[in-house]
Amino acid sequence: QKEVEQNSGPLSVPEGAIASLNCTYSDRGSQSFFWYRQYSGKSPELIMFIYSNGDKEDGRFTAQLNKASQYVSLLIRDSQPSDSATYLCAVNLGRGADGLTFGKGTHLIIQP
Amino acid sequence: GAVVSQHPSWVICKSGTSVKIECRSLDFQATTMFWYRQFPKQSLMLMATSNEGSKATYEQGVEKDKFLINHASLTLSTLTVTSAHPEDSSFYICSAISSYEQYFGPGTRLTVT
Repeated sequence: QKEVEQNSGPLSVPEGAIASLNCTYSDRGSQSFFWYRQYSGKSPELIMFIYSNGDKEDGRFTAQLNKASQYVSLLIRDSQPSDSATYLCAVNLGRGADGLTFGKGTHLIIQP
Repeated sequence: GAVVSQHPSWVICKSGTSVKIECRSLDFQATTMFWYRQFPKQSLMLMATSNEGSKATYEQGVEKDKFLINHASLTLSTLTVTSAHPEDSSFYICSAISSYEQYFGPGTRLTVT
């Protein structure tokens, strides 16, 4: 059974600091990894995706993937109060059109 | 990016009635759409995969006779919750694939009284 685990938080980070969000997954066959941000009552919005081991940077966001450890993380630099949200980690097997398996999300609070 | 819409954004219905939710890809064609459900303080759970022109594929534990999915065109998939009960109250979200990325609709909040 595919599982994605995240610490539910809340994770409290001062404004301007780096927020580090972590995720582990159980299915070694997983090929694609995604980070979504979800505000209360809204649907998820894609922040980043990563397919290969290593780091991928996009603006203030860096995704890190370690397939050997089955671990994926998201770093948010220069955290802003508007970054306060629930961050969902999602994976799929990458076999064409697969639905995503989501973690329960980490609630991030950026303190002004 | 690609835009996915859902209608209605919220709906309240009485127990025992049926409710239809529409999911549309506005600026692209989607042969595959997905339906998710999210209960309060829980994560999104994949309910089914909707394929244009063929039967939907349901995840384990999802009743296909209760959650009817019709993907009649390349831009429209519908989810009908039949004989709704209060425990079906949830946030229903669809998504569609464009250029290998999944784009989510804004969601439909269903409340069954």
